[in-house]
Amino acid sequence: DTAVSQTPKYLVTQMGNDKSIKCEQNLGHDTMYWYKQDSKKFLKIMFSYNNKELIINETVPNRFSPKSPDKAHLNLHINSLELGDSAVYFCASSLWDRASTDTQYFGPGTRLTVL
Amino acid sequence: KQEVTQIPAALSVPEGENLVLNCSFTDSAIYNLQWFRQDPGKGLTSLLLIQSSQREQTSGRLNASLDKSSGRSTLYIAASQPGDSATYLCAVSPIYNQGGKLIFGQGTELSVKP
Repeated sequence: DTAVSQTPKYLVTQMGNDKSIKCEQNLGHDTMYWYKQDSKKFLKIMFSYNNKELIINETVPNRFSPKSPDKAHLNLHINSLELGDSAVYFCASSLWDRASTDTQYFGPGTRLTVL
Repeated sequence: KQEVTQIPAALSVPEGENLVLNCSFTDSAIYNLQWFRQDPGKGLTSLLLIQSSQREQTSGRLNASLDKSSGRSTLYIAASQPGDSATYLCAVSPIYNQGGKLIFGQGTELSVKP
């Protein structure tokens, strides 16, 4: 059983388009995240949601809008795509625990290429 | 501002060697430090999580240590195998964070030659 799933796995699109990436977790976690991995493989947090509520927004352009219809889903919508948005986007989930003894579970990633 | 650095960026060893990957972080105010493995084109798999009060964790051939005061962690891999080839990432969970974010190093790309 897939714990954290993302669709699509690959996304190729033109500059200026709007696209969405979907994420679902079946682990019963209440916190979900989006990370961006750039061409140098550096992973950086973008957003964190706890029980459908936005907790972290790491100065991401407002062209990126996460949406959480329920605590098992966190989708990422991107407007007016730019060349610099090309990257691998990872969704992750964990339990909400400030002591953070629980690890984060990552999805397989979505490789976005903007032409 | 918390920064995480991993050295070396890439490492190639013959099969059977023991090896050490290094991770350093600038702010010791962390809840935990985690080591992940990333295979090409795949997501991240958690290997070991060391809480801030712990000194080390072991899982099979892997042993991770944490020296919070000096801002260092090492991942020791014993008797390396070609299947260990992957990128290894360390990440810290800062105490003064909201929402449990992780701050990652840039990874060490390991290649184990048969």
